[in-house]
Amino acid sequence: QVTLRESGPALVKHTQTLTLTCTVSGFSLSATGNSVSWVRQPPGRSLEWLAAIHWDDEKFYNTSLKTRLTVSKDTSKNQVVLRLTNMDPVDTGTYFCARVNAFSGDVFDFWGQGTMVAVSS
Amino acid sequence: SYELSQPLSVSVAPGQTARINCGGYNIGRKNVHWYQKKPGQAPVVVIYRVDNRPSGIPERFSGSNSGNTATLTINKVQAGDEADYYCQVWDTSTYVFGTGTTVTVL
Repeated sequence: QVTLRESGPALVKHTQTLTLTCTVSGFSLSATGNSVSWVRQPPGRSLEWLAAIHWDDEKFYNTSLKTRLTVSKDTSKNQVVLRLTNMDPVDTGTYFCARVNAFSGDVFDFWGQGTMVAVSS
Repeated sequence: SYELSQPLSVSVAPGQTARINCGGYNIGRKNVHWYQKKPGQAPVVVIYRVDNRPSGIPERFSGSNSGNTATLTINKVQAGDEADYYCQVWDTSTYVFGTGTTVTVL
């Protein structure tokens, strides 16, 4: 049974760094074909892809946020960590992690429930 | 950067057919996935790789893709289908989501 669970602060201050953790189970972060992506949704707005890390540790970033984002993984802990620097109130929203299945055309087949993050000005 | 455009909203009566378009340059050459997003819930994939349904997704959901437009079709729409729907592709080392379409069941 594949599960993902996001964790992190519900509130961060303007200019601080957000650190979110995605803890996974039911699949290996080092197994060929498995990747984890981060996606966010500001209130009332569309889904926005942020970053992805592949089984071989290759990383990909949203080009418009690339300078602020870092994604990493700890395979032994089954965790993927996202860092977003210089937080701004426009970064407020729900942050999701999802498994990306390369064998099904890179579909985001399993998702965490999401964690809400508010940024105070 | 690659962009995917969707209509803001689609309204449909129960039992009728909803069609949601996703426009992108040469999208017909890409694997397109569709997600259903309800308030307060995580997205759920309803169609992957253009026209494949995950287990548990009703046959009423189908997909197609050609040229510059991919389409999600929901036949015999039910009240429970009311949600936001997003298309998604992989392009030049980034994942891209469409702008999203709100399906309203009248």
